[in-house]
Amino acid sequence: DAKTTQPTSMDCAEGRAANLPCNHSTISGNEYVYWYRQIHSQGPQYIIHGLKNNETNEMASLIITEDRKSSTLILPHATLRDTAVYYCIVRPRRYNNNDMRFGAGTRLTVKP
Amino acid sequence: DTAVSQTPKYLVTQMGNDKSIKCEQNLGHDTMYWYKQDSKKFLKIMFSYNNKELIINETVPNRFSPKSPDKAHLNLHINSLELGDSAVYFCASSEGGRPEAFFGQGTRLTVV
Repeated sequence: DAKTTQPTSMDCAEGRAANLPCNHSTISGNEYVYWYRQIHSQGPQYIIHGLKNNETNEMASLIITEDRKSSTLILPHATLRDTAVYYCIVRPRRYNNNDMRFGAGTRLTVKP
Repeated sequence: DTAVSQTPKYLVTQMGNDKSIKCEQNLGHDTMYWYKQDSKKFLKIMFSYNNKELIINETVPNRFSPKSPDKAHLNLHINSLELGDSAVYFCASSEGGRPEAFFGQGTRLTVV
């Protein structure tokens, strides 16, 4: 699985967009970008994933650069409840196995 | 209804004891996982089971023995507990062909 690099921490004002970057310069053609988050004292929560096209769901948007070497998770209107550690994971899709190799992630703090 | 439930939520025990953590998922998923999150907050995959068959064992000491009596359950038994086993253990499940894994709320194990 390709290595990812994320900032250790970020702050965001409540109601503003939170843009969380992730570098994955060694990504292979068959590897997807996954994002999970972990709110304090809870289990990780899946957010979104993508291969090369931008993706959007009810939680967030994922923007992947054309060369796929980096991506940005966007929370369009951050709330205090979005304060969490956000993990960017790069790995191939495997039909019967979604084991995730979590790194250190980015600690996002949403401030009032 | 909780999708992935673990019991107990907290477990305090002495070194050398044997203990079990139970996990049940009511999502009809066919793959289940155990993760360990240590004091430095690194989250690591331990085991993955698909249809009751072990498919990942991440060089976990053989004091840890997962047991999957059926697809909905993956229990973790730990023999001869050591201080270094203190951590939060998360169970998760996923469905074949789907990208997301669902995590339980974790079991905080403290070995004294």
